[in-house]
Amino acid sequence: AQSVAQPEDQVNVAEGNPLTVKCTYSVSGNPYLFWYVQYPNRGLQFLLKYITGDNLVKGSYGFEAEFNKSQTSFHLKKPSALVSDSALYFCAVLTNFGAGSYQLTFGKGTKLSVIP
Amino acid sequence: DVKVTQSSRYLVKRTGEKVFLECVQDMDHENMFWYRQDPGLGLRLIYFSYDVKMKEKGDIPEGYSVSREKKERFSLILESASTNQTSMYLCASRSGTARQETQYFGPGTRLLVL
Repeated sequence: AQSVAQPEDQVNVAEGNPLTVKCTYSVSGNPYLFWYVQYPNRGLQFLLKYITGDNLVKGSYGFEAEFNKSQTSFHLKKPSALVSDSALYFCAVLTNFGAGSYQLTFGKGTKLSVIP
Repeated sequence: DVKVTQSSRYLVKRTGEKVFLECVQDMDHENMFWYRQDPGLGLRLIYFSYDVKMKEKGDIPEGYSVSREKKERFSLILESASTNQTSMYLCASRSGTARQETQYFGPGTRLLVL
């Protein structure tokens, strides 16, 4: 079964410092990987996805993610954190639900707090 | 911009009540989804629909049913609410396949069952 793991429930980083939110995956075949963000009292918003090609994927709000096949990881990164980046971040993988149907399976989420 | 709206932001119901959660999208998307979000468990797929009157079970369909009579509207029904269904419910919609397209989420409905 396809799955993703987010090993950290919470990540704290000082404003202006680089941030990393970790995600590892377990899939058979080629992975399709996604990052979503949820700001307080809001629904999820798409940040970026990896389907194929370049291992470094650029997304919204200055975020990027690096696909690493040997380490089965897809960590989310940003060079300089903003207080407004404080939110809940979800990694997701495309999962086969049968009969040609593919849906997203989400990780448990990582709460990012950027400290002023 | 794609807009996914949910009928209520907060809802309080009693055990045994029938509960309807409504979701409407305005972008003519074929696919619609209901998830529940719980701390430490992330998002779990309850049901999805890839066309009008079509529905498929997700990971945790027990205790829920859905209805999709019109393309823009996808309803989640709790036939007899129980306290373990207290949760945040998120609706989403998508055009085309998950490989190609982005899923758009509504703001969520926080349901409390007493």
